[in-house]
Amino acid sequence: DVKVTQSSRYLVKRTGEKVFLECVQDMDHENMFWYRQDPGLGLRLIYFSYDVKMKEKGDIPEGYSVSREKKERFSLILESASTNQTSMYLCASRPGTAKGNTIYFGEGSWLTVV
Amino acid sequence: GEDVEQSLFLSVREGDSSVINCTYTDSSSTYLYWYKQEPGAGLQLLTYIFSNMDMKQDQRLTVLLNKKDKHLSLRIADTQTGDSAIYFCAESIDNQGGKLIFGQGTELSVKP
Repeated sequence: DVKVTQSSRYLVKRTGEKVFLECVQDMDHENMFWYRQDPGLGLRLIYFSYDVKMKEKGDIPEGYSVSREKKERFSLILESASTNQTSMYLCASRPGTAKGNTIYFGEGSWLTVV
Repeated sequence: GEDVEQSLFLSVREGDSSVINCTYTDSSSTYLYWYKQEPGAGLQLLTYIFSNMDMKQDQRLTVLLNKKDKHLSLRIADTQTGDSAIYFCAESIDNQGGKLIFGQGTELSVKP
């Protein structure tokens, strides 16, 4: 079974702190994604990566950065957390587009910024 | 730009059929997906349809795609209380590295 693991399910951080959200997948997938989910807004794409050290901005990249040093790991970084970044964050992965289309999600990380 | 729209709520009685609708704007979509999210959980892939298909059936689920109108629907036959969840449709923009664009999600409530 494909597994996408988000290391932290629930976090509480203070305004201004640097926050790391880690995501690891075990299926050698090329593409990885970070979304945030807010009620009534659905999932909005923050960043995605289609290869190691490659990254592309999604629809709402402001206030975030990402790192993909290894194929299996895609990290989301909040340089200086703010209260409007309180949300659920979902990581996903899929094979390269030539190899398949199934996207797998992690269980989500609930971040509260106080 | 790309956009995916869904109505936010749907309420049905147990045993009835549910139909969840979705419209999208990007005609270069190659795959369209339906995901289910139960409370406190991540997203579970229910089914997907390739853009050159009109219909796909998988047990109680039927997906209809009208490419001309850019309209996608998910029909759940014999809806059960365990089907209560949020349902997301999504389109895959494969000329942008497999980027997925999601709708807002439709909350399905099944009443006994």
